[in-house]
Amino acid sequence: AQSVTQLDSHVSVSEGTPVLLRCNYSSSYSPSLFWYVQHPNKGLQLLLKYTSAATLVKGINGFEAEFKKSETSFHLTKPSAHMSDAAEYFCVVRPNTNAGKSTFGDGTTLTVKP
Amino acid sequence: GAVVSQHPSRVICKSGTSVKIECRSLDFQATTMFWYRQFPKQSLMLMATSNEGSKATYEQGVEKDKFLINHASLTLSTLTVTSAHPEDSSFYICSAPPSASSYNEQFFGPGTRLTVL
Repeated sequence: AQSVTQLDSHVSVSEGTPVLLRCNYSSSYSPSLFWYVQHPNKGLQLLLKYTSAATLVKGINGFEAEFKKSETSFHLTKPSAHMSDAAEYFCVVRPNTNAGKSTFGDGTTLTVKP
Repeated sequence: GAVVSQHPSRVICKSGTSVKIECRSLDFQATTMFWYRQFPKQSLMLMATSNEGSKATYEQGVEKDKFLINHASLTLSTLTVTSAHPEDSSFYICSAPPSASSYNEQFFGPGTRLTVL
């Protein structure tokens, strides 16, 4: 069994300030973890993924996330928010078994204020 | 990266009619595709796993006779919403992993907005 909890349904930051979107997971298997971004009425775009290599993962658009096994967390961060970062963000866990199904968190809405 | 397309992007239909949504992997072969639905302000919920050459696997609570899935080739899966009703209005998204390895991310289509009047 696996689950994902995104600890904040809404996060609001000012442009130029850091972003932190929190994600905790549970999985019976060693998982792969992903962060996706979704802009309104659009599909999902992969930001970054953890696949049992380096625990600090760098993604696109300046985002990064750190896999912490002891805390079962995979929080997403960015040093400086841009207005274009305003979107919905999903943390996703997938077990490391062939064709394993993905489980999505409930999503976090990021608002960026000018 | 790999590209997944969906057609149509938006469809409006009358209650009682059937609607077919196509999901195509454009530059890779996908033996497995996933179908999700997403209600406004909510997360993606997996509806079914589409398997090329065999029957789809449906998640608990999803009516297989209402949501017909056909994986006709290694690049095409279709979802047909039969006898659609207003409560079927939703954003339907498909995805495909480029291989069975879980280390690869899924590639998502842009979604299809279904509105049933």
